[in-house]
Amino acid sequence: QVQLVESGGGLVKPGGSLTLSCAASRFIFSDYYMSWIRQAPGKGLEWVSYISSSGSMIYYADSVKGRFTMSRDNAKNSLYLQMNSLRVEDTAVYYCARVGSSSPYYGMDVWGQGTTVSVSS
Amino acid sequence: DIQMTQSPSTLSASVGDGVTITCRASQSISSWLAWYQQKPGKAPKLLIHKASSLQSGVPSRFSGSGSGTEFTLTISSLQPDDFATYYCQQYNSIPWTFGQGTKVEIK
Repeated sequence: QVQLVESGGGLVKPGGSLTLSCAASRFIFSDYYMSWIRQAPGKGLEWVSYISSSGSMIYYADSVKGRFTMSRDNAKNSLYLQMNSLRVEDTAVYYCARVGSSSPYYGMDVWGQGTTVSVSS
Repeated sequence: DIQMTQSPSTLSASVGDGVTITCRASQSISSWLAWYQQKPGKAPKLLIHKASSLQSGVPSRFSGSGSGTEFTLTISSLQPDDFATYYCQQYNSIPWTFGQGTKVEIK
């Protein structure tokens, strides 16, 4: 079935960097907008960024703008989140999610299992 | 930014009960609203998109309504599998924002 699998999470010190990856399978990856969502321990969901199907449009939450970079490689069916200057408050489970259409005007209909990022000294 | 406010934060109900969760937007979002269900340790699951469109595979006891600034998610007859946390999310404008969540607990 349609699947998203995240990887790359881990423990990093404040100020450090990490790159998350999300591998997509069993759907035409290049047809869909994609997004990253995070959830801090015991907290609600927070949208982080989204990218258009071609990669030409990318938007970020203010909390990560200038520190995080989202990208995609449609040839490899993969999504990435480069995270720099990490802060303690970036600690969360990070989910990649498919926006259910070729536009941003749909809910996120497929989610990965999540990868945990912990920022601590 | 558009603020999304859900009520109640917690809801206690019994199997078979009908329940309604409300989500209010701080400004009009037309019908660009989704509802998700999340169980502990799991990824969210899309239930409703465009305020009232049932996502494929979701049981018909779930329904959504509303437009503009006020929206509701209704579960017509709670089943044991429905005890979870529910989130609304607007995708009318950037940044996308979620409500704080409503936890549906067993009474």
